[in-house]
Amino acid sequence: AQSVTQPDIHITVSEGASLELRCNYSYGATPYLFWYVQSPGQGLQLLLKYFSGDTLVQGIKGFEAEFKRSQSSFNLRKPSVHWSDAAEYFCAVEVLEGGSEKLVFGKGTKLTVNP
Amino acid sequence: DADVTQTPRNRITKTGKRIMLECSQTKGHDRMYWYRQDPGLGLRLIYYSFDVKDINKGEISDGYSVSRQAQAKFSLSLESAIPNQTALYFCATSDLAGRGGETQYFGPGTRLLVL
Repeated sequence: AQSVTQPDIHITVSEGASLELRCNYSYGATPYLFWYVQSPGQGLQLLLKYFSGDTLVQGIKGFEAEFKRSQSSFNLRKPSVHWSDAAEYFCAVEVLEGGSEKLVFGKGTKLTVNP
Repeated sequence: DADVTQTPRNRITKTGKRIMLECSQTKGHDRMYWYRQDPGLGLRLIYYSFDVKDINKGEISDGYSVSRQAQAKFSLSLESAIPNQTALYFCATSDLAGRGGETQYFGPGTRLLVL
């Protein structure tokens, strides 16, 4: 079955440090992959997505992610974290099921940023 | 004004009561979704609709029903609420470009507590 694994439930980094959030997926076909961010009390907002082409994808707020087919991974990175990046981050894969496209989400990684 | 709105934002109800959560969108999208979010479980799809005449069950539809009253409106009902339906509920929309990989746009969420 299709699935998304985010191995880290909670990550704490210091402001200004680099960040990498891990995401592994299980899907037989070429995946469409997404990272969404949920700020406290808010809905989810798209950070970036991959569906073809360059495997390094640039997103909003200075985030990027790299698709590695051989590792079934789509890790999210940011070179220097800001306090406003504290949020929960969700990786998702779009699957085709019963002729319909649907998103399957990981369980999320909560990011805490220390001053 | 927000593109995807949800009402109410917060609701407390008692076991056995019927409750309706409403979602409206001004994005002109055909596709609408209802998810629930539980701590540590990420988002799980309850129902989705690809147009006014199309309703589909998601991963966890038991105990829920939906109504697509118009392209812009998609309501979620709990016919007889139970405590394990306490969760954060999100509505989302997306457009269909025919190739997959469409972004989903989320509402701010409805926090439901069933006593």
